[in-house]
Amino acid sequence: IVLTQSPGTLSLSPGERATLSCRASQSVSSSYLGWYQQKPGQAPRLLIYGASSRATGIPDRFSGSGSGTDFTLTISRLEPEDFAVYYCQQYGSSPRTFGQGTKVEIK
Amino acid sequence: QVQLQESGPGLVKPSETLSLTCTVSGGSMISYSWSWIRQPPGKGLEWIGYISYSGSTNYNPSFKSRLTISIDTSKNQFSLRLSSVTTTDTAVYYCARGGGVHEIWGQGTTVTVSS
Repeated sequence: IVLTQSPGTLSLSPGERATLSCRASQSVSSSYLGWYQQKPGQAPRLLIYGASSRATGIPDRFSGSGSGTDFTLTISRLEPEDFAVYYCQQYGSSPRTFGQGTKVEIK
Repeated sequence: QVQLQESGPGLVKPSETLSLTCTVSGGSMISYSWSWIRQPPGKGLEWIGYISYSGSTNYNPSFKSRLTISIDTSKNQFSLRLSSVTTTDTAVYYCARGGGVHEIWGQGTTVTVSS
């Protein structure tokens, strides 16, 4: 399954809302779709699993939605620490695949 | 809390075998699958494969003929061997818990393939 994320780069200011898209080339089984945040020099950090469940310790400004082939990660109000690269991943079928990433940068 | 730590050579020659080990501390390997994921410089994440605690494996077909993932639960370790490497195998290699979604990751280790 090929995952296509858009946009490639999102330029926003702190306090603004961020909406990231992940589109799959075929339906993702049982909404087995996750979102990760990665900062430079760090390992990815799981934010969302099962398309909409927040991982342990993730603030509620992060939310995930979608099913089938279209998924969205929303950050309701950007904090300075949220500027990073975000990846979606499907784990409903093998091989597991990641999207190419969306960079959220400070405008 | 569970922590993962990758270890292995940072430099491998072309055509040789890349070998990495991930050591799991602070918890048991039982009932989980354990994965390898890599990230070439400046690029995105690529899933390599995983092994269950019982030893069954699931590999990315892109690597299948070159890849071996093994596990030693007595040592709380699992390992990656990738043969016949080329410069395109240069990447940060991460180990992670889970065969699907990954809540716990190692810090990553950089492997450069160069003569």
